[in-house]
Amino acid sequence: KQEVTQIPAALSVPEGENLVLNCSFTDSAIYNLQWFRQDPGKGLTSLLLIQSSQREQTSGRLNASLDKSSGRSTLYIAASQPGDSATYLCAVYAGSGGSYIPTFGRGTSLIVHP
Amino acid sequence: EADIYQTPRYLVIGTGKKITLECSQTMGHDKMYWYQQDPGMELHLIHYSYGVNSTEKGDLSSESTVSRIRTEHFPLTLESARPSHTSQYLCASSRGGFSPLHFGNGTRLTVT
Repeated sequence: KQEVTQIPAALSVPEGENLVLNCSFTDSAIYNLQWFRQDPGKGLTSLLLIQSSQREQTSGRLNASLDKSSGRSTLYIAASQPGDSATYLCAVYAGSGGSYIPTFGRGTSLIVHP
Repeated sequence: EADIYQTPRYLVIGTGKKITLECSQTMGHDKMYWYQQDPGMELHLIHYSYGVNSTEKGDLSSESTVSRIRTEHFPLTLESARPSHTSQYLCASSRGGFSPLHFGNGTRLTVT
């Protein structure tokens, strides 16, 4: 069974720092990996989707990398801002026989203080 | 921007009541999912569907049911609510293939 671990569980940094959030998974036979942001009491907002054939994806100040062989993905946030404060979750998509079931980590709770 | 709607946004009910949480999407997505999420914890898959008249059970399905009569609608029913059902319920959909998930804003359920 696929297991997804996110480290650190929580992070508090001053504004302007560059950040690295980690996501590891146990079964490397994945289709995609997706990073989400979740604000308190809300649903999940998609940030980046990396297909299994890709190494990385970029959107603005966010860059996500994927190393399937080692079962790892990293989300890099450049020049963090207070508005980046949220919980960041990664989801790994795997399955067989035509299924496509995402498995989520517990997330990294990020606070960026002014 | 994804258009997926969940109602109600908040719900407080007594033990033993039957409830239905609504989820609708206007994107014509074939795949839909229900997740349960407790604070600080990972999302647990309850049910999913790959199209009309197709439903499958996830990890936490034993106390709930779903239906998929129309593509855009995927309601979740708890036949007899218990305090252990107190949680946030998230609905998601995707276009198919390996396309990304889009989430609604969730229903926060409290069972007293």
